[in-house]
Amino acid sequence: GQNIDQPTEMTATEGAIVQINCTYQTSGFNGLFWYQQHAGEAPTFLSYNVLDGLEEKGRFSSFLSRSKGYSYLLLKELQMKDSASYLCAAEHTGRRALTFGSGTRLQVQP
Amino acid sequence: DGGITQSPKYLFRKEGQNVTLSCEQNLNHDAMYWYRQDPGQGLRLIYYSQIVNDFQKGDIAEGYSVSREKKESFPLTVTSAQKNPTAFYLCASSMGRQINQPQHFGDGTRLSIL
Repeated sequence: GQNIDQPTEMTATEGAIVQINCTYQTSGFNGLFWYQQHAGEAPTFLSYNVLDGLEEKGRFSSFLSRSKGYSYLLLKELQMKDSASYLCAAEHTGRRALTFGSGTRLQVQP
Repeated sequence: DGGITQSPKYLFRKEGQNVTLSCEQNLNHDAMYWYRQDPGQGLRLIYYSQIVNDFQKGDIAEGYSVSREKKESFPLTVTSAQKNPTAFYLCASSMGRQINQPQHFGDGTRLSIL
């Protein structure tokens, strides 16, 4: 089966750094995606990890530990526009479809 | 521009009625997916298709049906058997043949019951 957990809500201050954690328990794990979703809009792709370690893309970085079933998304120099939900999703080797967590709603405050 | 187009943006269903949500992509992607999102929740997989004329059930397929007669089109029918259809429906596509390909999403269809 598949189970993905991430915090429901987080609050951070503009200009700060925030880390959003995601733990997963899934059979046939292939890799982990992070998506950003603003309210009422479609998710947009942020990052993908298949190997252990850190992937950096500008202000956003994502980390994966396959042995621990753990990932995090790191957002630096937070901006007000970063207020959104962040979805963690695991890819499976079998069906090549994603299983999503419930999402973490991030509120950036001035 | 290449992308995924979902229509309509808003849809209302009467009791006992089937409705069909459209999803078209011009990205030349092999794989297409349908997800359902309820308020404050993540996405749940309804159906997916890796190639034309083939599709598989996802985690919540009951009350839904799909077809994949053309590579660029993957319509979803919400049947009268789906007793709680009110949700945000998202269609996505990806290269499919290779792993590790990100899914790209359409803008979604909001379905409500009259």
